[in-house]
Amino acid sequence: SQQGEEDPQALSIQEGENATMNCSYKTSINNLQWYRQNSGRGLVHLILIRSNEREKHSGRLRVTLDTSKKSSSLLITASRAADTASYFCATDARYGGSQGNLIFGKGTKLSVKP
Amino acid sequence: GAGVSQTPSNKVTEKGKYVELRCDPISGHTALYWYRQSLGQGPEFLIYFQGTGAADDSGLPNDRFFAVRPEGSVSTLKIQRTERGDSAVYLCASSLSLGGTGELFFGEGSRLTVL
Repeated sequence: SQQGEEDPQALSIQEGENATMNCSYKTSINNLQWYRQNSGRGLVHLILIRSNEREKHSGRLRVTLDTSKKSSSLLITASRAADTASYFCATDARYGGSQGNLIFGKGTKLSVKP
Repeated sequence: GAGVSQTPSNKVTEKGKYVELRCDPISGHTALYWYRQSLGQGPEFLIYFQGTGAADDSGLPNDRFFAVRPEGSVSTLKIQRTERGDSAVYLCASSLSLGGTGELFFGEGSRLTVL
């Protein structure tokens, strides 16, 4: 079963614009991670935010977490064509799941047009 | 090694055959994970190892699937009597420890096609 659900499923923007992707999850978590996957490649870790954090920045990435709404957002500012990829959120379950059992959403497919 | 290595990168087999997929994690990483990804979906957890032991195998879909990590490094995912529904990309990941940053380092995956 998949705990995280990203929206939108697909997003197409122009280079230079900002891209916002959202993730909702179902159960209490210890942390939430965002990963990126280029077509036909493995996943690459982008950022991790803990349940007691509300916002985190890394370069052009900004992640927010609202545990009361069980949701997170990933903002990519000043997007580039090279940002074209699928983006996934992943959560661990605070209760009932093991620490290694990261649950991924279905992903948002981002297309940045030059 | 520099990253997580998976072999083969592509495997085409016939229904009913036996398949082995290999994962070589980053040196020194004690935790190793197997995920399965179908087209258009996110990765689905199968099993993870802490050292040599399977700490959680709750994601293995049935008893045709088995994974080992005998020396705490390389792992092999074994699928018996393959079915067409097993076709997917099998991803391996490793991490320094479960209690660390939580970041997983993924390999490029093994694409399995069952005809």
